[in-house]
Amino acid sequence: RKEVEQDPGPFNVPEGATVAFNCTYSNSASQSFFWYRQDCRKEPKLLMSVYSSGNEDGRFTAQLNRASQYISLLIRDSKLSDSATYLCVVNMDFNKFYFGSGTKLNVKP
Amino acid sequence: EPEVTQTPSHQVTQMGQEVILRCVPISNHLYFYWYRQILGQKVEFLVSFYNNEISEKSEIFDDQFSVERPDGSNFTLKIRSTKLEDSAMYFCASSEPGQGSYEQYFGPGTRLTVT
Repeated sequence: RKEVEQDPGPFNVPEGATVAFNCTYSNSASQSFFWYRQDCRKEPKLLMSVYSSGNEDGRFTAQLNRASQYISLLIRDSKLSDSATYLCVVNMDFNKFYFGSGTKLNVKP
Repeated sequence: EPEVTQTPSHQVTQMGQEVILRCVPISNHLYFYWYRQILGQKVEFLVSFYNNEISEKSEIFDDQFSVERPDGSNFTLKIRSTKLEDSAMYFCASSEPGQGSYEQYFGPGTRLTVT
């Protein structure tokens, strides 16, 4: 089983739509979870950390389900500028982090 | 807003040559990282560094790789004898674990091309 797995997509959605991505991880001892976005040929940019209680930042909501070992990202009211690849990141050991392969989102006018 | 910087943005080198990639992490950050991303593939962890020593490293980070923090601001990745398969984007990142979450901030990357 891969350390971090994501559906590669692409998810093609119209502007204003709500879209959700999931990510599963293999190590039940993982403590730190993040969502990053990556635009083509650019560096990953931190979108949000994912806490046990869930967290929300504007149109973005992240959830953690430890029992099923997955995290999710919900984007409401999608904008054209949300088009990117969304990367799930999980720590496997103390200071070693694994990235998923990313889920590509295309928001269409 | 403070940011991680990396130089050069693009490095072309011949197989077998040594390269040094440079990074200046965010000034009050304490943990430093190197990742690589081969074109079209996922971001892969190479190494983490704290308190002037390697904290964790991956299977990719073999004897041809080394890291150093030579002067309190720069953080370097050296590849001793480059191979064609080392061609990739190399990202540096830093984090301030005092926040408790190890949120990492990435530099713009150095594209390494080995010919």
